[in-house]
Amino acid sequence: LAKTTQPVSMDSYEGQEVNITCSHNNIATNDYITWYQQFPSQGPRFIIQGYKTKVTNEVASLFIPADRKSSTLSLPRVSLSDTAVYYCLVGDTGFQKLVFGTGTRLLVSP
Amino acid sequence: EAGVTQFPSHSVIEKGQTVTLRCDPISGHDNLYWYRRVMGKEIKFLLHFVKESKQDESGMPNNRFLAERTGGTYSTLKVQPAELEDSGVYFCASSQDPGGGYYGYTFGSGTRLTVV
Repeated sequence: LAKTTQPVSMDSYEGQEVNITCSHNNIATNDYITWYQQFPSQGPRFIIQGYKTKVTNEVASLFIPADRKSSTLSLPRVSLSDTAVYYCLVGDTGFQKLVFGTGTRLLVSP
Repeated sequence: EAGVTQFPSHSVIEKGQTVTLRCDPISGHDNLYWYRRVMGKEIKFLLHFVKESKQDESGMPNNRFLAERTGGTYSTLKVQPAELEDSGVYFCASSQDPGGGYYGYTFGSGTRLTVV
């Protein structure tokens, strides 16, 4: 599974847009990019998954450039409740072992 | 629909004792996974069930850990005998598709195990 690199932490304020970038230089042709969110005392929660270009759902957008060596999770207008750890994971469609890194700890302040 | 449920939420046991963790996946999800995070480390895969069969147990740390999923519904993870290094949070996840599919995996809130 491709190794991912993401910032250890980020700070933001309520109402701002937050972009978290993940590097995955060794991504394979069959690999998808998936993001999970984890609140304290809870399990990770699936946010979004994509293969290329842009994917948007009710929670976030995922931007993937043509070379797919990185991806950016975009959270529009964050609130205090978006304070969490965000994990970027890479694997093929059948990947049955999620490989978690250290994630990005996002702190949203008033 | 109900999510993935784990019992107990917390467990404190003495070294050498036995503990059994339980996971109830989302109804109809054939795929069930166990993960754990030990202190200061990243979340690590333990094993994967497809219905009642173990698809991949490459992450199980040693033979003190035994996972079962009789009948392909709920699963148990038994640690016997427990050691101090087994302390951590044990997560269960389930999915309809083996790769998580469009909706990814659904995780439970975890069982925090403390071995003293």
